[in-house]
Amino acid sequence: EAAVTQSPRSKVAVTGGKVTLSCHQTNNHDYMYWYRQDTGHGLRLIHYSYVADSTEKGDIPDGYKASRPSQENFSLILELASLSQTAVYFCASSDLGYAEQFFGPGTRLTVL
Amino acid sequence: GDSVTQTEGLVTVTEGLPVKLNCTYQTTYLTIAFFWYVQYLNEAPQVLLRSSTDNKRTEHQGFHATLHKSSSSFHLQKSSAQLSDSALYYCASSGSWQLIFGSGTQLTVMP
Repeated sequence: EAAVTQSPRSKVAVTGGKVTLSCHQTNNHDYMYWYRQDTGHGLRLIHYSYVADSTEKGDIPDGYKASRPSQENFSLILELASLSQTAVYFCASSDLGYAEQFFGPGTRLTVL
Repeated sequence: GDSVTQTEGLVTVTEGLPVKLNCTYQTTYLTIAFFWYVQYLNEAPQVLLRSSTDNKRTEHQGFHATLHKSSSSFHLQKSSAQLSDSALYYCASSGSWQLIFGSGTQLTVMP
């Protein structure tokens, strides 16, 4: 049974609209992460969290917000979606900040 | 800051021949472990190999890698590439509080 799940698996959004991507983990991990993947750029860290009700900025946080309402759930919010945010988004979890990360299946976001 | 470098963005090899994917790193902190992740088409990245011991060979699914702290390297190798090895490979190091990923190497194995 998948330990990190994401919803939706794909989404088409309009420019300027609000998008929320959700992630749920059953690993009992403290750390959760949001990455975006673009061809030629690999995985880039957007936001991460190590405790509920707290989030931290990653390497490319501009244009994104994150929410961690519980240990199991971590959301990525695009308040005003832009064309440049078209990408595949992965959520991951780990028990420690420097430990192996377990990834969800990804969400393919297309902004038109 | 910490960084992981994968010099090849794309590697193409013929089935049955050896393959080597390069990974070097730079760290200013005590690095706990190194990983190779593999991502098959339309799937999530998953760990292929992990190592935290200098000069010790680690093997899994026919792939092997040896951490060499003297040269700051953790190259991935396989003696005989298979069609099913075609995938995107990421090298990663665990820094003070996060994993640092390289930019990835797309491996294509041709028949």
